[in-house]
Amino acid sequence: QSVLTQPPSASGAPGQRVTISCSGGSSDIGKNYVFWYQHLPGTAPKLLIYRNDQRPSGVPDRFSASKSGTSASLAISGLRSEDEAVYYCAAWDDRRSGLLFGGGTKLTV
Amino acid sequence: QVQLVESGGGLVKPGGSLRLSCAASGFTFGDYYMGWIRQAPGTGLEWVSYITISGTKFHADSVKGRFTISRDNAKNSLYLVMNSLRAEDTAVYYCARDFAAGAASWGGFDIWGQGTMVTVSS
Repeated sequence: QSVLTQPPSASGAPGQRVTISCSGGSSDIGKNYVFWYQHLPGTAPKLLIYRNDQRPSGVPDRFSASKSGTSASLAISGLRSEDEAVYYCAAWDDRRSGLLFGGGTKLTV
Repeated sequence: QVQLVESGGGLVKPGGSLRLSCAASGFTFGDYYMGWIRQAPGTGLEWVSYITISGTKFHADSVKGRFTISRDNAKNSLYLVMNSLRAEDTAVYYCARDFAAGAASWGGFDIWGQGTMVTVSS
């Protein structure tokens, strides 16, 4: 059971906007940066967002993220079929001295 | 180009041991924190271990006392020694680079290997 809670699934039509939530606690999201990953089957995960809301070079600005308190969210606008993937949030947990991943959200476009 | 290549996976019996290796190229390996992340069949990502530039190690509770991460900067290599393996350790194991050169982001892995499969079964 993941300590960071994500909805198991999300969906949207092409062109629409979808948000994925990630809920944690005071020792993880509440104190540390949140990261988001995109994982396509058979490939290595891809860093999508770092330090709460920053996009690595090459990641389209259709992807955005925010953090508030002990929760974070990822928003994808202008949905495309190639956005179909599993999305994970992650944050360091000071109490466990370890990295936590959310359970993953499977996005269907 | 910048890449990580894992090796050493395979089939092992419960209670057995295995050593995974990760060869880095295209960047100054010694400048980066590194980690191991795994994905068991049909499940999500699970962090396994982190190692700092100086060699300080962090392990997930699920592997603490059984797995040990290490690095050899002279050989541009990362390792994961896995002892007392259990069926629940069956997974694809990825090595990954923390993107923050010279420091740690504690969660931002920008370069990943292709993964190596570990199967623990009798």
